[in-house]
Amino acid sequence: EAGVAQSPRYKIIEKRQSVAFWCNPISGHATLYWYQQILGQGPKLLIQFQNNGVVDDSQLPKDRFSAERLKGVDSTLKIQPAKLEDSAVYLCASSSTQGGYGYTFGSGTRLTVV
Amino acid sequence: GQNIDQPTEMTATEGAIVQINCTYQTSGFNGLFWYQQHAGEAPTFLSYNVLDGLEEKGRFSSFLSRSKGYSYLLLKELQMKDSASYLCAVRDHNYGQNFVFGPGTRLSVLP
Repeated sequence: EAGVAQSPRYKIIEKRQSVAFWCNPISGHATLYWYQQILGQGPKLLIQFQNNGVVDDSQLPKDRFSAERLKGVDSTLKIQPAKLEDSAVYLCASSSTQGGYGYTFGSGTRLTVV
Repeated sequence: GQNIDQPTEMTATEGAIVQINCTYQTSGFNGLFWYQQHAGEAPTFLSYNVLDGLEEKGRFSSFLSRSKGYSYLLLKELQMKDSASYLCAVRDHNYGQNFVFGPGTRLSVLP
């Protein structure tokens, strides 16, 4: 089974610029998550999709972050404008059911804002 | 809310046994997970406990005490490749059955 695909792997941008990350979950997985992992910390949930609907976005900084999952498959996460404190690894994960037995994570996108 | 605590760093010797502790406070506990994360890579699932007791999987075992809000991950016969961060995560049914991750414990295995 193919894993969760993410791109790009690395991204360096200047503050106030925009950036977008892409995620392709495991085929058939209805639930998709975006996590932010700041260096030295555990992942923090930003947003959860069930198919193409948002289930939880309570920790998403909506003034600058947005995410969508058109057609209930691929998802994009956007930051506009970026701040220095957004430097982190952005992990995408998917599971077959909501809160399913263990997530499968992608390798993440490491964002550096300078 | 939720609060999960783990030691920040641990060091152990190849071939030894190490125990990584995790304490948590959550109102809607519905399972505890351990993940392994090598530097620059995705977290990978190690173990799952929902009932009290010990779950053994090869060199790795995980223990849970729900009354104490406590878990540990036990790694036996340590190998150099076990050098990684170990993340404790609690599933909370008051949090949409989603995981809340602890800060992770960075384990260094020395020769």
